[in-house]
Amino acid sequence: RKEVEQDPGPFNVPEGATVAFNCTYSNSASQSFFWYRQDCRKEPKLLMSVYSSGNEDGRFTAQLNRASQYISLLIRDSKLSDSATYLCVVNPGAGSYQLTFGKGTKLSVIP
Amino acid sequence: NAGVTQTPKFQVLKTGQSMTLQCAQDMNHNSMYWYRQDPGMGLRLIYYSASEGTTDKGEVPNGYNVSRLNKREFSLRLESAAPSQTSVYFCASRPRQGNTEAFFGQGTRLTVV
Repeated sequence: RKEVEQDPGPFNVPEGATVAFNCTYSNSASQSFFWYRQDCRKEPKLLMSVYSSGNEDGRFTAQLNRASQYISLLIRDSKLSDSATYLCVVNPGAGSYQLTFGKGTKLSVIP
Repeated sequence: NAGVTQTPKFQVLKTGQSMTLQCAQDMNHNSMYWYRQDPGMGLRLIYYSASEGTTDKGEVPNGYNVSRLNKREFSLRLESAAPSQTSVYFCASRPRQGNTEAFFGQGTRLTVV
């Protein structure tokens, strides 16, 4: 099993739709989790951290399920500007210097 | 607030040539990283520096060397470039290990012909 797995997509959704991405991780000791956004030919940028209780930032909601070892990202009311690749990122442990990146899920929001 | 700055942004090398990619951060972060990103492969860690004075290999270190010049700067050197090293290279920094996010530079697009 790969350390961090994501559905590569692409997800093609119309404007205004709700879309959800899932990500599974293999290391049950993983401590912290992030969603990054990467636009074409640009660097990854932090979208949001994922907390145990789940968290919301505007149209974006992230949730963590430790028992099943997956995290999710929900985007409501999709905008054209949401088109990007979304990377799931896992910190394997509190003492770890390395982050583990998923390969990303590509989202295209269509007019 | 510049964050993480990489130079150059683009480079074309001939096979066998050498070059150094430069990275500097102004956030007083302890840890710095070099990744490469290839289509379908995601981000792969080449080398990292947990703190000033230390460097460690990542997932794909062969063909590369690094130097943590000081707390701010972390360079990546290709001694003898090969076409397989054609990629986009990202430098990143984190305040420390553990539950902290990474901040990325804008990337260097390297083509080896």
